[in-house]
Amino acid sequence: TQLLEQSPQFLSIQEGENLTVYCNSSSVFSSLQWYRQEPGEGPVLLVTVVTGGEVKKLKRLTFQFGDARKDSSLHITAAQPGDTGLYLCAVTSNTGKLIFGQGTTLQVKP
Amino acid sequence: DAGVIQSPRHEVTEMGQEVTLRCKPISGHNSLFWYRQTMMRGLELLIYFNNNVPIDDSGMPEDRFSAKMPNASFSTLKIQPSEPRDSAVYFCASGTIIGTFDTGELFFGEGSRLTVL
Repeated sequence: TQLLEQSPQFLSIQEGENLTVYCNSSSVFSSLQWYRQEPGEGPVLLVTVVTGGEVKKLKRLTFQFGDARKDSSLHITAAQPGDTGLYLCAVTSNTGKLIFGQGTTLQVKP
Repeated sequence: DAGVIQSPRHEVTEMGQEVTLRCKPISGHNSLFWYRQTMMRGLELLIYFNNNVPIDDSGMPEDRFSAKMPNASFSTLKIQPSEPRDSAVYFCASGTIIGTFDTGELFFGEGSRLTVL
């Protein structure tokens, strides 16, 4: 059983469309991170959310932490080809390990 | 800062051979993580160190895998003997652990792509 469930697994959209990807768990976390990974590279941190209900914006990306701190969403407005990549959510387990979800692979076509 | 440096970037070897992957973390970071990434299983944590001490190696698949961190600026992941199912991209990441339940931001290397024939 995965600690973090991400959906959808794959998403292919046209440039200019909006999209939302989800990261869900049955556990409560003190914080949650979102990373983006491009082909041939390692993941890079986008944001950390800490407070239940928190919303953070990074240009066209909007991150939300669920009120109960069990889930999170990432919304991208007017997607661009440069947004293409693997989006991963991650949490620190109760033993101090950073655990990643399976990720959502996003392809934005020009 | 040069970032996390991994070597080799690519390695192709035959089943049964020993493989050693190397990592130089970012100076000043107190934690180092080894992950393995495959299409089927995603990004799996193998082992992590805090202040050069292995804290959790429960993700190491079996005795064929071993990892060391002799000092704050160097770590190795060794597979002996290697098997085709070990083929994957192996990532090293470093960071500063903030607290028991907060790993903080991890900075990843570019990965070592291993192919075992």
